[in-house]
Amino acid sequence: DTEVTQTPKHLVMGMTNKKSLKCEQHMGHRAMYWYKQKAKKPPELMFVYSYEKLSINESVPSRFSPECPNSSLLNLHLHALQPEDSALYLCASSQTGTGVEKLFFGSGTQLSVL
Amino acid sequence: AQSVTQLGSHVSVSEGALVLLRCNYSSSVPPYLFWYVQYPNQGLQLLLKYTTGATLVKGINGFEAEFKKSETSFHLTKPSAHMSDAAEYFCAVTLNTGFQKLVFGTGTRLLVSP
Repeated sequence: DTEVTQTPKHLVMGMTNKKSLKCEQHMGHRAMYWYKQKAKKPPELMFVYSYEKLSINESVPSRFSPECPNSSLLNLHLHALQPEDSALYLCASSQTGTGVEKLFFGSGTQLSVL
Repeated sequence: AQSVTQLGSHVSVSEGALVLLRCNYSSSVPPYLFWYVQYPNQGLQLLLKYTTGATLVKGINGFEAEFKKSETSFHLTKPSAHMSDAAEYFCAVTLNTGFQKLVFGTGTRLLVSP
């Protein structure tokens, strides 16, 4: 199994809603990532977890709250988002998180904030 | 800080023609370089990577890239384009120390005509 599974595939939410994005992998990877990709732009790193600990936070606003309950799961909790937060949110995983590793990406969650 | 520049937001080729996608990098230390491909409504998939050793790197789907330190380049080529190669291609760089923080170029959309 070399897949990273993200749910839901599409999400529409209001600015006052609370929602969560989920990501799951069963490759035994110990590093997991959240990327944000605006339309026609490259992905931008948001968070990196390594061995279930938050290792990198790229100065992301607090309305985005990551969580790594175990080595296979990664969540992104969303609260009080703004319309400019509408984007494709990509989850990825790799073996341990070092620079040489291949990242395995999920297909993403397309988020629309109204 | 490291960065990559991709020349040409769009490249059009005919089926069977040579594919050349350009990438130049900037890094104060030896970088790790990657090419990822993104098909519509999907996540990213690794085509190939350069870490150390042989400067000509072969990847999946017939693609290859050559690391040229003197030119700070890592161009992607494929001898004969196929219709299925139509996609967005991202060059990316990361440092060989610490956690993986991929920095992507702005991307090149490859269009393949019959």
